[in-house]
Amino acid sequence: GAVVSQHPSWVICKSGTSVKIECRSLDFQATTMFWYRQFPKQSLMLMATSNEGSKATYEQGVEKDKFLINHASLTLSTLTVTSAHPEDSSFYICSASSGTTSTDTQYFGPGTRLTVL
Amino acid sequence: RKEVEQDPGPFNVPEGATVAFNCTYSNSASQSFFWYRQDCRKEPKLLMSVYSSGNEDGRFTAQLNRASQYISLLIRDSKLSDSATYLCVVNPSRAGGFKTIFGAGTRLFVKA
Repeated sequence: GAVVSQHPSWVICKSGTSVKIECRSLDFQATTMFWYRQFPKQSLMLMATSNEGSKATYEQGVEKDKFLINHASLTLSTLTVTSAHPEDSSFYICSASSGTTSTDTQYFGPGTRLTVL
Repeated sequence: RKEVEQDPGPFNVPEGATVAFNCTYSNSASQSFFWYRQDCRKEPKLLMSVYSSGNEDGRFTAQLNRASQYISLLIRDSKLSDSATYLCVVNPSRAGGFKTIFGAGTRLFVKA
């Protein structure tokens, strides 16, 4: 099956620093990539959708200047949490799809656990 | 009303039991539906798609009821390894792309 990797798997940083998370599709070309955030015992919340070579589409309430998304190639998308604060501590999960329609399967990365001190 | 609603549980069942979860969705134009499984501190993994005609995969059966706007997941002969959180996922139609909406999940504990 399709494999999606994320790096790093966990990160601890000081408040005010920026953290970059990478999401890679290893054996397929990801036309669309998604970034989610999940707080403990809550559902995954879609943050943004990105297509290769174009600007990401952010969900309502997600600050695009704080969560910078770059989908530079069909196999790589990055999420940068700028000036991280403790309230940004969460589980960040990316997913990738080779399609652009609602019936295309998303394949999830293993997630990145961010802790901001 | 939430776009996708699930009973959070937890459901505590003995091995071998049959257990069913329901999930309701608010957007009648929703196009595709899935059940995912998520283990503690792990990423979600696709369990099965839900088709209008129903879908069965071994001990797992998924059904879609468009009239009442809900999907269901039935697990027969529960195993200890079935213990997880089951996420209902709905993709509403949207021109030019798609958006995935996750339910908050239903927690299942299967006991020996």
